[in-house]
Amino acid sequence: DVKVTQSSRYLVKRTGEKVFLECVQDMDHENMFWYRQDPGLGLRLIYFSYDVKMKEKGDIPEGYSVSREKKERFSLILESASTNQTSMYLCASPPPLGGADSLQDTQYFGPGTRLTVL
Amino acid sequence: AQTVTQSQPEMSVQEAETVTLSCTYDTSESNYYLFWYKQPPSRQMILVIRQEAYKQQNATENRFSVNFQKAAKSFSLKISDSQLGDTAMYFCAFMKQRTGNQFYFGTGTSLTVIP
Repeated sequence: DVKVTQSSRYLVKRTGEKVFLECVQDMDHENMFWYRQDPGLGLRLIYFSYDVKMKEKGDIPEGYSVSREKKERFSLILESASTNQTSMYLCASPPPLGGADSLQDTQYFGPGTRLTVL
Repeated sequence: AQTVTQSQPEMSVQEAETVTLSCTYDTSESNYYLFWYKQPPSRQMILVIRQEAYKQQNATENRFSVNFQKAAKSFSLKISDSQLGDTAMYFCAFMKQRTGNQFYFGTGTSLTVIP
């Protein structure tokens, strides 16, 4: 019953490293999102994609890039990791609105990747 | 721009009691969706309930119900018969009905159910 998966639950990287976070959804959805979650700040949108090869900046895109070569996969890239990018990263893939999804079929978020940059 | 405000950073409730979590939002959109998500400690974000803005009837899902006041832009979550498993961070979220379907989240309310 897995809908959205993320490549790692926990990741530790060093400052300056290039980091790839992968997200895969098996629901054939067009829309995919990357958020970071920090205490007291809620979830903030980094980037989103509404189609293959299409991407849009969110609220905090600085220091990040994304790739969407296939519909099911949306990658978040930290070009040169910094300590202030230590966070929980969540991928989401909501269905088209107006769809007939039951509530039980609406687990749109991945399990999250907790990234620590040393 | 859309904003979602949860003014209660932390709340607690006795087991079996009822608790209400507040959420207000600001938007100029007429068509949108509202959600409550639950994030248990160290676990995945789970959708609890959703409400379509064009529906006047409040959504309910078992022990969870909402009080949706469109004119006031208020969307509160009521949890009845609270259970220990309800202990979690709760996020209110707004989604525009247009290309991208971007979520906007509040900062969350940490709910603790006390035995």
